[in-house]
Formats: sequence, structure tokens, C-alpha cells
Amino acid sequence: GESVGLHLPTLSVQEGDNSIINCAYSNSASDYFIWYKQESGKGPQFIIDIRSNMDKRQGQRVTVLLNKTVKHLSLQIAATQPGDSAVYFCAETRGYQKVTFGTGTKLQVIP
Amino acid sequence: DAEITQSPRHKITETGRQVTLACHQTWNHNNMFWYRQDLGHGLRLIHYSYGVQDTNKGEVSDGYSVSRSNTEDLPLTLESAASSQTSVYFCASSEGETQYFGPGTRLLVL
Repeated sequence: GESVGLHLPTLSVQEGDNSIINCAYSNSASDYFIWYKQESGKGPQFIIDIRSNMDKRQGQRVTVLLNKTVKHLSLQIAATQPGDSAVYFCAETRGYQKVTFGTGTKLQVIP
Repeated sequence: DAEITQSPRHKITETGRQVTLACHQTWNHNNMFWYRQDLGHGLRLIHYSYGVQDTNKGEVSDGYSVSRSNTEDLPLTLESAASSQTSVYFCASSEGETQYFGPGTRLLVL
């Protein structure tokens, strides 16, 4: 709920603008990455994923970029809407029993 | 539609009491997981199961136990609740690498 979003880095974006949320991952052996969205009072929701043999993957209004050289993942949201307000966090996996979740970034959309 | 549910959604208990949180999924997934979510931490794995009668400890398993008697359910038991176990608990299931989460249970231990 709301307590999850407190003390997290916050990105404030004007409605209609594009948002870019970043994530640094820790293990160069990770081979699969996921972005989750968590709205207040709800469980994390799958948004988009990417495998380590790809640099970019696009979904509906969302794009994930992977830079394995610097172990960096980003989520781009096009034409950000008020419904996009949530906490976003990445997850890295090395097989489905080895999943590490980031702490998240809070996205605030300003109407 | 297939889904994953948790109950109760909110629970207040006292130190020392045994508490069980329910998780039920209708995805027919073999893999099920329990996490806790606290300020300043990402989701931390408590226990997980790859199938009926299979259970494994995660990184923060002390004070918790699970059992898997069927595919659909993975109840999480706090043997003797402690204030440090005040948290939001999430259950998840998967067949492959992507985990799908329940709505969470907010637990307060007084």
C-alpha cells in the first residue's frame, strides 16, 4: 500500500510526457529481467520482460532497454497517464528460483 | 479467469500467537512463492515450492513454515508471531520464470 512508496526515489512526470525509470542490477550472470508495477494496496503486476540476448523490447506504450555492459535496465513509458502512477521495480533472474527484486521507484504523474 | 488470491487481506495479532496466511491460485502453476515486503527492501523470499509435497527455504525463512498438500494452495504459518514479522506478505505463482502475484496480506504483530 502507501507505505511501500514512502522513502523510495520518486520520479514526477507531467501527464502526456514520457517517463524513464532506471534500474541497476547486480549479477552479470542474470539472464532474464522483468519490470513490475505495483499500485497502492495491490500486488506487483507484470509489465514487460526481456532476455539477456536482447537489447530492447517493446510493448504497448512501454519499452525496456537492457545494457549488459553496465548492468543497467530501463523502462520507458510513452505518453504517461495518471493510471501509470505506481511503484515500479525490476527483477533479475538466473533461473526461476534465483530472483532478485529491486526496491523500486515511485512514479508520480502530475495532471 | 485464473487468479491468485490471499486471505485475510489484513490481520492484527499478538506476539507469540500462531498465524496462518492463505494463498490460493487457479493458474494450475507448479511453482509457488511467499515474499515479505518492507520499507527499504525489495521483495524478500520466505519459502517456495516447486510442486506438491515440495517446500524450500528462502532467504528469510526463520520463524515461518509452509506446506504444499495440493497444487492450488501454499499456506504460510508464523509459528510464534514476533513484532519483526509485521510486514506485507505476497504470494506468487509461476510456471516459467515470470511470477504472478496475489494482492497481499498486511500483517501487524502487536
